[in-house]
Amino acid sequence: GEDVEQSLFLSVREGDSSVINCTYTDSSSTYLYWYKQEPGAGLQLLTYIFSNMDMKQDQRLTVLLNKKDKHLSLRIADTQTGDSAIYFCAESIGDYKLSFGAGTTVTVRA
Amino acid sequence: DGGITQSPKYLFRKEGQNVTLSCEQNLNHDAMYWYRQDPGQGLRLIYYSQIVNDFQKGDIAEGYSVSREKKESFPLTVTSAQKNPTAFYLCASRRGDEQYFGPGTRLTVT
Repeated sequence: GEDVEQSLFLSVREGDSSVINCTYTDSSSTYLYWYKQEPGAGLQLLTYIFSNMDMKQDQRLTVLLNKKDKHLSLRIADTQTGDSAIYFCAESIGDYKLSFGAGTTVTVRA
Repeated sequence: DGGITQSPKYLFRKEGQNVTLSCEQNLNHDAMYWYRQDPGQGLRLIYYSQIVNDFQKGDIAEGYSVSREKKESFPLTVTSAQKNPTAFYLCASRRGDEQYFGPGTRLTVT
């Protein structure tokens, strides 16, 4: 079955790096995704990684994938107040469907 | 200006009434999806459609119905059979391996 788990909260100081972790269970997942949701809004696709990769970097975002441990992380460098949001990890589960974690609420403090 | 629109942003209904949520996209995407989001939870898939005139049930389809008569439109009807209809509803469309989300409709049923 599919089950994606994330820690619920993360507090980080402005200018520091944030690391959000996620574990998933479906070893056949082709892609793993990170989405950002601001209050009252839809989800914004931040980045995603193909399952045969172990790292992807996109400006301030770095995704690390450990397929053996089914562990995915998102690192945000130089975290800003505008990065305060809920971050969702998701795995593809066939037929292009996505299974989402419950989301990590990131709070950036001055 | 391409994108996904959902209307209205807020919707209020009395218990026992059916209500239809609108989702329109001008991205020329074949596949469209409906998710439900409850506080503190990830998104759960209600229905999806890979192509016009075809759709499949997701994980929580009971009490919901959809149609896909046009490529641009994928309306969701929340019927009176849905036991807990109050939630935030998100529509998405897909290009390749990327799903893009609309701004969502918050439905409150009292």
